[in-house]
Amino acid sequence: DAKTTQPNSMESNEEEPVHLPCNHSTISGTDYIHWYRQLPSQGPEYVIHGLTSNVNNRMASLAIAEDRKSSTLILHRATLRDAAVYYCILRAHRTALIFGKGTTLSVSS
Amino acid sequence: DGGITQSPKYLFRKEGQNVTLSCEQNLNHDAMYWYRQDPGQGLRLIYYSQIVNDFQKGDIAEGYSVSREKKESFPLTVTSAQKNPTAFYLCASSISAGGRGQETQYFGPGTRLLVL
Repeated sequence: DAKTTQPNSMESNEEEPVHLPCNHSTISGTDYIHWYRQLPSQGPEYVIHGLTSNVNNRMASLAIAEDRKSSTLILHRATLRDAAVYYCILRAHRTALIFGKGTTLSVSS
Repeated sequence: DGGITQSPKYLFRKEGQNVTLSCEQNLNHDAMYWYRQDPGQGLRLIYYSQIVNDFQKGDIAEGYSVSREKKESFPLTVTSAQKNPTAFYLCASSISAGGRGQETQYFGPGTRLLVL
């Protein structure tokens, strides 16, 4: 399985943009890039996913490098409710998600 | 409201006892999954089911059993053979399994299992 590498933790201030990086140098051409986040003591929730092009939704934006070996999840204005563990996951023809340890995002007021 | 429900929120197991965790979904999803999460770790796959009456082992299936008799339900039994069952258990579902990899998984709120 292709692996992803994320920083263990990041800090942000409220109302500021946050860029969460993910490296996936062994990504295959059919791997989708998924992002999920998990708030304390809750189940993960879907954030966004993409294949080749940048993607936007109401929660975040996903910027994918041209060579697809890295991607960045962008939270445009961090709020205290965005403090969570963010997981970057590659998914091709698999039936389940493979979670790493993710990035713990702290947001200060 | 559509979603996934898990019960109970907390469950206590005595040594040598089997316990069953409930997972129900009303999203009309074909695929369902069980994950285990230990403190500070990511999720690990226990079992998954792509369709009713069919299920496959995940990475850490030893000491667990499942059934899928109805589309809506995917209960997980933690048997006495699971020597270290204390963990946070998460159930998930998706419209289908596999596909081209773009399917989104929806997670329940989890059950925390503790050993007495």
